[in-house]
Amino acid sequence: SAVISQKPSRDICQRGTSLTIQCQVDSQVTMMFWYRQQPGQSLTLIATANQGSEATYESGFVIDKFPISRPNLTFSTLTVSNMSPEDSSIYLCSVVVWASGSGEQFFGPGTRLTVL
Amino acid sequence: GIQVEQSPPDLILQEGANSTLRCNFSDSVNNLQWFHQNPWGQLINLFYIPSGTKQNGRLSATTVATERYSLLYISSSQTTDSGVYFCAVLGGSQGNLIFGKGTKLSVKP
Repeated sequence: SAVISQKPSRDICQRGTSLTIQCQVDSQVTMMFWYRQQPGQSLTLIATANQGSEATYESGFVIDKFPISRPNLTFSTLTVSNMSPEDSSIYLCSVVVWASGSGEQFFGPGTRLTVL
Repeated sequence: GIQVEQSPPDLILQEGANSTLRCNFSDSVNNLQWFHQNPWGQLINLFYIPSGTKQNGRLSATTVATERYSLLYISSSQTTDSGVYFCAVLGGSQGNLIFGKGTKLSVKP
């Protein structure tokens, strides 16, 4: 498995501001993802955080709104820019851990964001 | 893309009861995982089960890949089992998981 931490765990922000969420993993991982979970909904992929190159965004998510950094194989940040109340969600990072030829995904504890 | 459907959407149980949660998926998959999301929002890995049967304490899971479904069994339910159970399959274009909408379980004392 993997031990994943996220900062902050929760925040309340004003509309128009930006928040940067950090994700730290206790081991080097190749594949790291950022997901969003809107209230009462399931999880949706925002993007893959690529080490050494630009993130790969899912349809409906753009770099200007959700810039992502991946400076090394254990760390990534997701910024939610120019926030509106519709951005109120739980944001989770996820990594793939490989063992015996199988890749299992593990999730961080999430960042619960409320935008007023 | 691949579709993942879970049933039932909501389930209310009395403590001690057993339950079965179902996950149907629309295409063959190499990875299927079950998660429990607790009331604080944390996703806890329950099973990595692309095929076959696994058991962990009061929980067990079976995936019949050829028929494209998976079942999660909870026996002797406890109030701490409450939360949302998600089934997810590897099917995204980026190697990501595609999640079902979840089953919300409430276990009453």
